[in-house]
Amino acid sequence: AQTVTQSQPEMSVQEAETVTLSCTYDTSENNYYLFWYKQPPSRQMILVIRQEAYKQQNATENRFSVNFQKAAKSFSLKISDSQLGDTAMYFCAFTANTGTASKLTFGTGTRLQVTL
Amino acid sequence: DGGITQSPKYLFRKEGQNVTLSCEQNLNHDAMYWYRQDPGQGLRLIYYSQIVNDFQKGDIAEGYSVSREKKESFPLTVTSAQKNPTAFYLCASSTRALNEKLLFGSGTQLSVL
Repeated sequence: AQTVTQSQPEMSVQEAETVTLSCTYDTSENNYYLFWYKQPPSRQMILVIRQEAYKQQNATENRFSVNFQKAAKSFSLKISDSQLGDTAMYFCAFTANTGTASKLTFGTGTRLQVTL
Repeated sequence: DGGITQSPKYLFRKEGQNVTLSCEQNLNHDAMYWYRQDPGQGLRLIYYSQIVNDFQKGDIAEGYSVSREKKESFPLTVTSAQKNPTAFYLCASSTRALNEKLLFGSGTQLSVL
């Protein structure tokens, strides 16, 4: 069974600063996908970024980037130039290439507070 | 606009009562999912469906039932056998492309009276 661990329950960052959220996972699969989802106070789940395990290049989406270390099974999210609207719960998620359904396994989340 | 609609936003259940949560999508997605979210925990998969008239149990299916009679609809029934139903329930959908991203609805908060 796959597991996803987010060891930082809460984090805080000042506006315009950079913050990194950690995520580790455990799997015996070789081909898989990793995701970061954001859940703001509205509780709507929003995809932030996605990484394919077979790609060595780290994914980037505007101010969001990942540091994917496959050997270490680590998948951290870096948010640059933090904005007040980045305040949310952030969930790391994993799915293996085992079928046509994208069954995601989620971590317990990191609550990020962006302050002035 | 295409999207996923969950209703109601808030739902209250009495002891021994079955309740049904609605999930409708107009994205023409084949796959649909139900997740449960408890405070301090991540999302856990209840049921999923890859195609009409077919569905599979997820990690925490006990006390829940689903149907998939139409491509657009995937209702979740929380039965009286679910002893701790208070949670936030999220419906999601995706294409059948391998590991395509999930799009989520806005959720239903279920509470026990």
